[in-house]
Amino acid sequence: DAKTTQPPSMDCAEGRAANLPCNHSTISGNEYVYWYRQIHSQGPQYIIHGLKNNETNEMASLIITEDRKSSTLILPHATLRDTAVYYCIVRVNNAGNMLTFGGGTRLMVKP
Amino acid sequence: GAVVSQHPSWVICKSGTSVKIECRSLDFQATTMFWYRQFPKQSLMLMATSNEGSKATYEQGVEKDKFLINHASLTLSTLTVTSAHPEDSSFYICSAFSLLGILSSVSYNEQFFGPGTRLTVL
Repeated sequence: DAKTTQPPSMDCAEGRAANLPCNHSTISGNEYVYWYRQIHSQGPQYIIHGLKNNETNEMASLIITEDRKSSTLILPHATLRDTAVYYCIVRVNNAGNMLTFGGGTRLMVKP
Repeated sequence: GAVVSQHPSWVICKSGTSVKIECRSLDFQATTMFWYRQFPKQSLMLMATSNEGSKATYEQGVEKDKFLINHASLTLSTLTVTSAHPEDSSFYICSAFSLLGILSSVSYNEQFFGPGTRLTVL
């Protein structure tokens, strides 16, 4: 699976949009971009995934650049409960494959 | 939709004892379960992949005789830490995936994680 690079930490004001970047310059054509988050002392939670089109669900939006070398996860109205470590993972779209977690971005949402 | 549970949520044991951690898929049949380990302030590291009815596949550097994995049914996998030592203290997390069916509200291309088990070895 391709390697990803994320900033180690970010702050966001409560109620504002949180934009979390991820670089995956070595992504291959059959690899998807997945985002998970891990709230302190809990198991990871799936957020969203996409191949090349932008995706949106009830939790977040995923914007993937045209060359697919980077993406941004957007939490439109961050709340204190969104404070977590966010992991960007690139993987072939087969959940039977393992997930390789990098360092992630520690998002701190502040009042 | 898909729920994965782990038991116990935390355990404290003495050095040299064995500890069993259970991972259950509550509303789907998990053909594959993964076991991860996470040390403080670090990311999750895959320990092993467990397919129902077959032997687990361990990642490099993970001792299979120390971390015994059993996946005897489609809803239960267990991880036994044998002769635990303080350096085995960690947060153990399982995830589950199913090839057998697609829940109406869930994409089959997701893995579902348990809440984790915090092991402390004294």
